[in-house]
Amino acid sequence: GENVEQHPSTLSVQEGDSAVIKCTYSDSASNYFPWYKQELGKRPQLIIDIRSNVGEKKDQRIAVTLNKTAKHFSLHITETQPEDSAVYFCAARQNSGGSNYKLTFGKGTLLTVNP
Amino acid sequence: ETGVTQTPRHLVMGMTNKKSLKCEQHLGHNAMYWYKQSAKKPLELMFVYNFKEQTENNSVPSRFSPECPNSSHLFLHLHTLQPEDSALYLCASSQDRAGTDTQYFGPGTRLTVL
Repeated sequence: GENVEQHPSTLSVQEGDSAVIKCTYSDSASNYFPWYKQELGKRPQLIIDIRSNVGEKKDQRIAVTLNKTAKHFSLHITETQPEDSAVYFCAARQNSGGSNYKLTFGKGTLLTVNP
Repeated sequence: ETGVTQTPRHLVMGMTNKKSLKCEQHLGHNAMYWYKQSAKKPLELMFVYNFKEQTENNSVPSRFSPECPNSSHLFLHLHTLQPEDSALYLCASSQDRAGTDTQYFGPGTRLTVL
């Protein structure tokens, strides 16, 4: 099955700095890679995603890059703010048979933005 | 925030109790999921239902029994649980076909097994 590795497990930055979280996946057939943000005591929420036919996608201060050859993808947050503090999860989607799909998640990165 | 709801939000039960978790989605999706989230572990997929049919059982112990009576409702029946089953149980839903597969999560049920 798919294996998703996520690094680092914790990341502390100063407000205004950039933060980068990296993930690798093992199944070359994976074709969809979402990123979720989970604030303390809240549900995971999708913040950005990328499909295998695209190399980069940007939405305001967040961007995701995908390298299919190397099987890794990264989340970039620029001009970080204290409200960016949360746990971030990457995931990779695989076909689990027929028209059924499932996500495999990384272990998460606890991002702390210090004012 | 109200697209996927879960009840109860908190549950404390003994090892001999029987309880059920409920999930409801109001998004018109056809796929629903149960995940277990424990401290310092990745989100663990437990079950997947697509159009009420179970399509994935990720080697979950039989003390967890899912039920999906229709595409909008998903239950997780619990019996004779162990303390290590204490975790946050998250439900999610998606419109599960290529190109429209974003999963939306519910708020979760925080389960404590004594």
